[in-house]
Amino acid sequence: AQSVTQLGSHVSVSEGALVLLRCNYSSSVPPYLFWYVQYPNQGLQLLLKYTSAATLVKGINGFEAEFKKSETSFHLTKPSAHMSDAAEYFCAVSDSGAGSYQLTFGKGTKLSVIP
Amino acid sequence: DAGITQSPRHKVTETGTPVTLRCHQTENHRYMYWYRQDPGHGLRLIHYSYGVKDTDKGEVSDGYSVSRSKTEDFLLTLESATSSQTSVYFCAISVAGEGAFFGQGTRLTVV
Repeated sequence: AQSVTQLGSHVSVSEGALVLLRCNYSSSVPPYLFWYVQYPNQGLQLLLKYTSAATLVKGINGFEAEFKKSETSFHLTKPSAHMSDAAEYFCAVSDSGAGSYQLTFGKGTKLSVIP
Repeated sequence: DAGITQSPRHKVTETGTPVTLRCHQTENHRYMYWYRQDPGHGLRLIHYSYGVKDTDKGEVSDGYSVSRSKTEDFLLTLESATSSQTSVYFCAISVAGEGAFFGQGTRLTVV
């Protein structure tokens, strides 16, 4: 069975500071890993994905994540936080299946950006 | 935009009544999913479909049924709604090599 742990249900950073959101996963097979962002009262938007190619993955809005197999981690980072980054972020894992991305989600991390 | 439309977007219903939520996609994707989102739980898979009339249970399937009679439509039915099914429901589709993409959600309140 797969699982995802997001450390910290709520993270606050100052505008311009580094954003680091942590995600650890467990999977019995090589995983596909995803980060999604959810703005209030909206659906989930795909930020970035790891699908066994490059271990450093760049996504939208300046975010990136690094897949570290030895640490079973896929932490999300952004060098400089912007007010518009305030949202909830979800890490998710999927078996590498042929076109099917049945996701197991973490509980989410709400990011606040302080002016 | 992955061409996913959920209806209704909001619904209030009474305990014990049946409720059907609809997910419609315009791009002929094979895999479709229903998740529910609850505070402190993230999103959890209810049911999924891998083709017309092909469905299977997810993590939290009790009290829910699904149907897929056409590629473009995936219906989620609460046979007899309970207050514990008050939640936000999301439909998703898989795009090979790209990931899963979500609809805008349906906020269901059972009173």
